[in-house]
Amino acid sequence: TAGITQAPTSQILAAGRSMTLRCTQDMRHNAMYWYRQDLGLGLRLIHYSNTAGTTGKGEVPDGYSVSRANTDDFPLTLASAVPSQTSVYFCASSDRVAGELFFGEGSRLTVL
Amino acid sequence: GQNIDQPTEMTATEGAIVQINCTYQTSGFNGLFWYQQHAGEAPTFLSYNVLDGLEEKGRFSSFLSRSKGYSYLLLKELQMKDSASYLCAARDSNYQLIWGAGTKLIIKP
Repeated sequence: TAGITQAPTSQILAAGRSMTLRCTQDMRHNAMYWYRQDLGLGLRLIHYSNTAGTTGKGEVPDGYSVSRANTDDFPLTLASAVPSQTSVYFCASSDRVAGELFFGEGSRLTVL
Repeated sequence: GQNIDQPTEMTATEGAIVQINCTYQTSGFNGLFWYQQHAGEAPTFLSYNVLDGLEEKGRFSSFLSRSKGYSYLLLKELQMKDSASYLCAARDSNYQLIWGAGTKLIIKP
């Protein structure tokens, strides 16, 4: 089974450009999450969705937006990228709000 | 504020036992998770504790003391493939996960 698929795997982006990181899961999990992981810091939650049609802000939401039109897809959009958004982005899902997380393989984004 | 503390790096010998500690301060508590993350890969779930005590799962065990805000992950019979980062995460009263920065475990032959 595929689990969670993220795309692209890596991307170099010019500052000021927009970018959408794609995330698709085939486990029919209700809850989905976007995290960023930076060296020396714990995973930080950007946005989350407890169920299709709803989204919420995490710890570091500024500069990012998400949508959850259906159960399977949870794209993350950077409207105007800045160098501080250089990071590894992980999408994750869980079958319930309090459940264990299943992570995608990550998307490494470099903003120059 | 909410905080998770765990050592940055630890070194152990193949075949030995290692204990990775984690202390947490959260607004309320709804469980503690341990994840394993190999370099360049995604985190994968190892264990979950919500009640005090030891949970054993093969070579890995996880312990929780809620009164002390403390957990540890115990790895026995270390193998080279156990070289990875180990992430501690506590769930607060809003069911949000607070993550530690991870402990990089280096296994030497």
